[in-house]
Amino acid sequence: AQKITQTQPGMFVQEKEAVTLDCTYDTSDPSYGLFWYKQPSSGEMIFLIYQGSYDQQNATEGRYSLNFQKARKSANLVISASQLGDSAMYFCAMREGATQGGSEKLVFGKGTKLTVNP
Amino acid sequence: NAGVTQTPKFRVLKTGQSMTLLCAQDMNHEYMYWYRQDPGMGLRLIHYSVGEGTTAKGEVPDGYNVSRLKKQNFLLGLESAAPSQTSVYFCATDLRGYRWNSPLHFGNGTRLTVT
Repeated sequence: AQKITQTQPGMFVQEKEAVTLDCTYDTSDPSYGLFWYKQPSSGEMIFLIYQGSYDQQNATEGRYSLNFQKARKSANLVISASQLGDSAMYFCAMREGATQGGSEKLVFGKGTKLTVNP
Repeated sequence: NAGVTQTPKFRVLKTGQSMTLLCAQDMNHEYMYWYRQDPGMGLRLIHYSVGEGTTAKGEVPDGYNVSRLKKQNFLLGLESAAPSQTSVYFCATDLRGYRWNSPLHFGNGTRLTVT
């Protein structure tokens, strides 16, 4: 079964507008962490933001925020005030299990390609 | 401070040839991973290591072997390359000594083409 689902293969947004990239996940473990990575056309993987399953508040990092809805098992990335440099692939990922120090494996979704139009 | 360095950056192989990809890290991280990235598939874990001398299979291990003889190096080998192994390969590391929620640190990738 797919652990991480990103249903939007591609998204378009106008510069300066906000955009939400969807991510749903599947786990029966009460302890898990969710990560978002950005991959620009140059190819490197850039860590953006993290949300733990026990975190009381939604994570924020500058223009990035995470809309975490635990009951719905969704962890959508919100980018405010989009910039041309935000055009990239975005990957949602999950690590399960903190009961014994956490799982070794980070499982990735298939990604969403975001294009920011001027 | 280089972080995670992958060599080579690009490689073209003929079917049946062998090669080794090297990942070197200078961050003293315990955990190291090899992922492959294919269009529309995201990143899939090939093999990983939780410390020097250890290796384990990931999601797509067939056709690959790995070794972690030194803590700072993680090698990915293809014994007999196949066109299906054409991909971009990423190495990543993880501190994981005390923080299970630490993000992965990625190398810049190796683009491999098998003809």
